[in-house]
Amino acid sequence: DQQVKQNSPSLSVQEGRISILNCDYTNSMFDYFLWYKKYPAEGPTFLISISSIKDKNEDGRFTVFLNKSAKHLSLHIVPSQPGDSAVYFCAAKGEFTGNQFYFGTGTSLTVIP
Amino acid sequence: DSGVTQTPKHLITATGQRVTLRCSPRSGDLSVYWYQQSLDQGLQFLIQYYNGEERAKGNILERFSAQQFPDLHSELNLSSLELGDSALYFCASSGRANEKLFFGSGTQLSVL
Repeated sequence: DQQVKQNSPSLSVQEGRISILNCDYTNSMFDYFLWYKKYPAEGPTFLISISSIKDKNEDGRFTVFLNKSAKHLSLHIVPSQPGDSAVYFCAAKGEFTGNQFYFGTGTSLTVIP
Repeated sequence: DSGVTQTPKHLITATGQRVTLRCSPRSGDLSVYWYQQSLDQGLQFLIQYYNGEERAKGNILERFSAQQFPDLHSELNLSSLELGDSALYFCASSGRANEKLFFGSGTQLSVL
């Protein structure tokens, strides 16, 4: 059973515009959320995270929004750049998961120059 | 560079065979995680070790096993390989706070 879902397998955005990647989760006991970025032939790298006590966290061009009531988080990239083209995974964990991180299936972002 | 080293990068083998994937965590990290990524699948958690002991188990098949050695490197053993085991296998490590995972570059396993 997929506890973290990314329903859009792919997304194309024009350079300079906003990219919005979405993620839904099923268990309200998750309390920490992360986004990872993965280039081909490389392992995923950490991008940004958010604790459930916040609803927004910003780091440069990247902002993560958390809507706990909807069990939904999103990653906004503004402005999008061609180098942002990659697969993005969201992940979640909570005390109830022990040390396990649950990952979504990923969204492939293409930023068109 | 995440500091996590995985070898080999690529592995091609035949059905029924046995392979060993190796991982060295970041210096100082005690936790090692193994994940499998198949086509159109997310990162499926297989197993976690902490300082030599198994800490958590995910969707790991009985044909698969892992261990973490005293020097903290870990090995994932896959036996009686089937075509469906072809996937990208990632190792990750985390520090004491366990706030995020640092991934290696993966081992691409192809079972022919």
